Amino acid sequence: DIQMTQSPSSLSASVGDRVTITCRASQSISSYLNWYQQKPGKAPELLIYAASSLQSGVPSRFSGSGSGTDFTLTISSLQPEDFATYYCQQSYNTPPTFGPGTKVDIK
Amino acid sequence: QVQLQESGPGLVKPSETLSLTCAVSGYSIRSGYYWGWIRQPPGKGLEWIGSIYHSGNTYYNPSLKSRVTISVDTSKNGFSLKLTSVTAADTAVFYCGSHRGYPGYFDHWGQGTLVTVSS
Repeated sequence: DIQMTQSPSSLSASVGDRVTITCRASQSISSYLNWYQQKPGKAPELLIYAASSLQSGVPSRFSGSGSGTDFTLTISSLQPEDFATYYCQQSYNTPPTFGPGTKVDIK
Repeated sequence: QVQLQESGPGLVKPSETLSLTCAVSGYSIRSGYYWGWIRQPPGKGLEWIGSIYHSGNTYYNPSLKSRVTISVDTSKNGFSLKLTSVTAADTAVFYCGSHRGYPGYFDHWGQGTLVTVSS
């Protein structure tokens, strides 16, 4: 299985901050990397697919980049509704695997 | 817009079989898409369990393959999950979802249902 890691595991930030979350794969996954946001008690929601494509309806302050083994999710200006846990997921091969998550909370 | 809704018992006894169904609305399950199950133990991360294509082809996580069966019910426009020989380690929120391509990305999710394994 391809192992996914994320850093940091948690971070505290203020509204308006620029936030960057990193995801690393244990082997090259080309651009087969997806990002999800999960709020407490809710199902995950797709934010970014194929490393940098914004899912329909997702605000443009979210962006993704990277290829190979290293990827980044950036929130350009953190909003109150963005406090959540973020997961990356590789879709390069089976089984699809998720990172352990990065929790973003209020400073 | 695809909508999914999980249903099934919230409590299962150890060694028994966990059975869940996912009702799909807003889209005919026969039209395409892959349909999958993901679980999340309380306070932990996400684990893909398996998926099924509308044609019936199935894909399972090797770590669970010996205990998992996923099937489609086109008459009810839904699909189901069976997980046998459950233990407390199987306690989790179970989500059903849809994804384009395989493995693909999950672009629609159900709200999730908590299943507790306990005697």
